[in-house]
Amino acid sequence: DGGITQSPKYLFRKEGQNVTLSCEQNLNHDAMYWYRQDPGQGLRLIYYSQIVNDFQKGDIAEGYSVSREKKESFPLTVTSAQKNPTAFYLCASSPRQGPRDFGAGTRLSVL
Amino acid sequence: GQQVMQIPQYQHVQEGEDFTTYCNSSTTLSNIQWYKQRPGGHPVFLIQLVKSGEVKKQKRLTFQFGEAKKNSSLHITATQTTDVGTYFCADNAGNMLTFGGGTRLMVKP
Repeated sequence: DGGITQSPKYLFRKEGQNVTLSCEQNLNHDAMYWYRQDPGQGLRLIYYSQIVNDFQKGDIAEGYSVSREKKESFPLTVTSAQKNPTAFYLCASSPRQGPRDFGAGTRLSVL
Repeated sequence: GQQVMQIPQYQHVQEGEDFTTYCNSSTTLSNIQWYKQRPGGHPVFLIQLVKSGEVKKQKRLTFQFGEAKKNSSLHITATQTTDVGTYFCADNAGNMLTFGGGTRLMVKP
């Protein structure tokens, strides 16, 4: 059953804490992306990666970090530098310039 | 940078009525992708439009790409309660998929 798996579904962050969101895909897609969605808003690109060991900043990369050590995995770390992290985080993958397949998302809240 | 605007932001319709959402840009769009996001869910790809003036249909959904490639629209004929959700257009320029703000469709049975 091919797809994108994000975990956890819900995550709570304490002030000053770094948290990591997991994203795994078994679609053999080259490109992977992280988007942030705020209530009633569109999606904004945080980071993207076209190939293993390479990634690029999107529109709102400040306070976030990523790694792409394996084709299947693209974890996102929300660092303590991100002062307003409460949002819905969506991971996606695609063939090059193709339509995005999205995971089910992680809802992050601040305690 | 590139901005993609969608109108309206919200639309309430009676079941059976038609619905249209519009996607506009001040600059030429590369190609347009449309997604649907059900409440509490994640975006699901619907269609991609590439050519100027292109029209594509999926059952009750009709997608158009403007002649100047600066706008696009999604029209739903005879809405059903299953059409509820937010519809997003996105400009697919290179690796950067720039999303519009979405139109949230609510359907009264």
